[in-house]
Amino acid sequence: KQEVTQIPAALSVPEGENLVLNCSFTDSAIYNLQWFRQDPGKGLTSLLLIQSSQREQTSGRLNASLDKSSGRSTLYIAASQPGDSATYLCAVRRWQGAQKLVFGQGTRLTINP
Amino acid sequence: EAGVVQSPRYKIIEKKQPVAFWCNPISGHNTLYWYLQNLGQGPELLIRYENEEAVDDSQLPKDRFSAERLKGVDSTLKIQPAELGDSAVYLCASSPGGTNTGELFFGEGSRLTVL
Repeated sequence: KQEVTQIPAALSVPEGENLVLNCSFTDSAIYNLQWFRQDPGKGLTSLLLIQSSQREQTSGRLNASLDKSSGRSTLYIAASQPGDSATYLCAVRRWQGAQKLVFGQGTRLTINP
Repeated sequence: EAGVVQSPRYKIIEKKQPVAFWCNPISGHNTLYWYLQNLGQGPELLIRYENEEAVDDSQLPKDRFSAERLKGVDSTLKIQPAELGDSAVYLCASSPGGTNTGELFFGEGSRLTVL
């Protein structure tokens, strides 16, 4: 059974810092991995999707990497801003046909002005 | 392009009452999901539809939960009767399905409080 873990559960940093959020998964036989952002009381917004054949994806100040063999992904946020404050969740899809995402518990990020 | 639309956004009911949530996926998306999200946790899949067929409902508590997706577009998730432990956010998501990347798009969720 695939298990996804995100550490730390919460993180607070000053504005302007670069930071890394971690995601680990127990079964390396994944099809892809997706990072989401969730603001309080809101749904999930897709940030980046990495296929199993890819090593990283970039969007603006965000960079997500994937190391399938070690069961890890990181989300790098450059020059953090107060507007980046949210909960960040990662989710893995086991294989193409399954179309099922298994989520981590999320990391609650607070950027202090 | 409109995103995934859910209603109601909030619902407060007393235990043993019924409740229903509605979801309209992104136009053209064949795959629709209902997820349950408890406070401080990641979402957990309740049921997945491919068009009008429920292809994965193994996590759906069938004694009180039911879902339908008539005509393969909109979907309704029902709880009857609701219990205190059902208080959570119910998220609907959709994806194009088939051999695409499988990226999911979520609605804003329906927050249920059972008193």
